[in-house]
Amino acid sequence: GAGVSQTPSNKVTEKGKYVELRCDPISGHTALYWYRQSLGQGPEFLIYFQGTGAADDSGLPNDRFFAVRPEGSVSTLKIQRTERGDSAVYLCASSLAASGRSDTQYFGPGTRLTVL
Amino acid sequence: QKEVEQNSGPLSVPEGAIASLNCTYSDRGSQSFFWYRQYSGKSPELIMFIYSNGDKEDGRFTAQLNKASQYVSLLIRDSQPSDSATYLCAVPNFGNEKLTFGTGTRLTIIP
Repeated sequence: GAGVSQTPSNKVTEKGKYVELRCDPISGHTALYWYRQSLGQGPEFLIYFQGTGAADDSGLPNDRFFAVRPEGSVSTLKIQRTERGDSAVYLCASSLAASGRSDTQYFGPGTRLTVL
Repeated sequence: QKEVEQNSGPLSVPEGAIASLNCTYSDRGSQSFFWYRQYSGKSPELIMFIYSNGDKEDGRFTAQLNKASQYVSLLIRDSQPSDSATYLCAVPNFGNEKLTFGTGTRLTIIP
């Protein structure tokens, strides 16, 4: 079956611009996570959705970052006034449900964001 | 103290030997542990998870968990060049399951 998909695969933008990154989770997965991975580091948690609501956004670095999941499926991560330090690979993951014993999180291929 | 710690390597192991990857975690309440493999330029891929103390085997992979020592390891038997990758240890947060990752250990299998 289809895995998690993310678009675009690469995004180059200029400092100060606005970007949107899209994630299409595995069909039927209610939990969706965004992570950010810098070179040489493990992924760092940004935000988690259970259904349509953001259940935990404690990892968002500041108010320039925002994410939505209006219909409980596709999610969009939005970054305003991008800065060079935002350059990283943005990973999306989904799982069947975030309850009880940990469900496997399946990762998408990521979006490599470069801010010039 | 970082919540999940791994030796970043690189770790070089001859083909056919056993590769041993280690991870320590700080939260004594952690219940489950995941090992992900990440090839260069690719996304993380789950290879093993473990909940109970002791060993769990899956093919050439064995995960070992010692909750008293807050230590989890991954052994790869009969290492192959295709095992060359970065191995990430991850611990989910109880309740919402967000994963806290270590920095990963870069493993190279030498033919």
